Amino acid sequence: KAGVTQTPRYLIKTRGQQVTLSCSPISGHRSVSWYQQTPGQGLQFLFEYFSETQRNKGNFPGRFSGRQFSNSRSEMNVSTLELGDSALYLCASSDGRSGNTIYFGEGSWLTVV
Amino acid sequence: DQQVKQNSPSLSVQEGRISILNCDYTNSMFDYFLWYKKYPAEGPTFLISISSIKDKNEDGRFTVFLNKSAKHLSLHIVPSQPGDSAVYFCAASVIYGGATNKLIFGTGTLLAVQP
Repeated sequence: KAGVTQTPRYLIKTRGQQVTLSCSPISGHRSVSWYQQTPGQGLQFLFEYFSETQRNKGNFPGRFSGRQFSNSRSEMNVSTLELGDSALYLCASSDGRSGNTIYFGEGSWLTVV
Repeated sequence: DQQVKQNSPSLSVQEGRISILNCDYTNSMFDYFLWYKKYPAEGPTFLISISSIKDKNEDGRFTVFLNKSAKHLSLHIVPSQPGDSAVYFCAASVIYGGATNKLIFGTGTLLAVQP
């Protein structure tokens, strides 16, 4: 079955703009999590959505937000982009039960100039 | 505060030998651990996991050992192959008491398997 699909794969934005990234989880998975990977901070948890509700949140400013739709697809938004937001944004999906495997997508590479 | 640590940034191993990647954690609440393999600009690929009720889990060439008293886990790859060359991340989660899929990642170890 298809894996986790993220779009777009690559994008360049200007400081101050906003960006929306999309994630389609594995069919049947109801949990979608987002992570940010940067060279300095490594892989950091942004937030998790389960059945359209945010279930957990990491330590990121309010400029980072997300949502999940009834078909489990998820979007994350970053407003007022800063140079430091340049990163690989990864989406992960699971069936939502604790202790089950979490699968990652290929990521969306965001460059802020 | 780095709750999950991989103290070796890199490791070089000869093909056919054993690769041992180490991971230490500080949060005693962690009860589920995973290892991922990652190439640059790609998403992590799940390798193997272990629950805190076990001390060993094996899947093919990959074995994960957990030492709860030492708050230490390791990933053994035997035999190592050149295709195993990648960055390996360990990750930890607290699953007892509620559903959550929040993973705390280590900083990664770059494994290079020499032919």
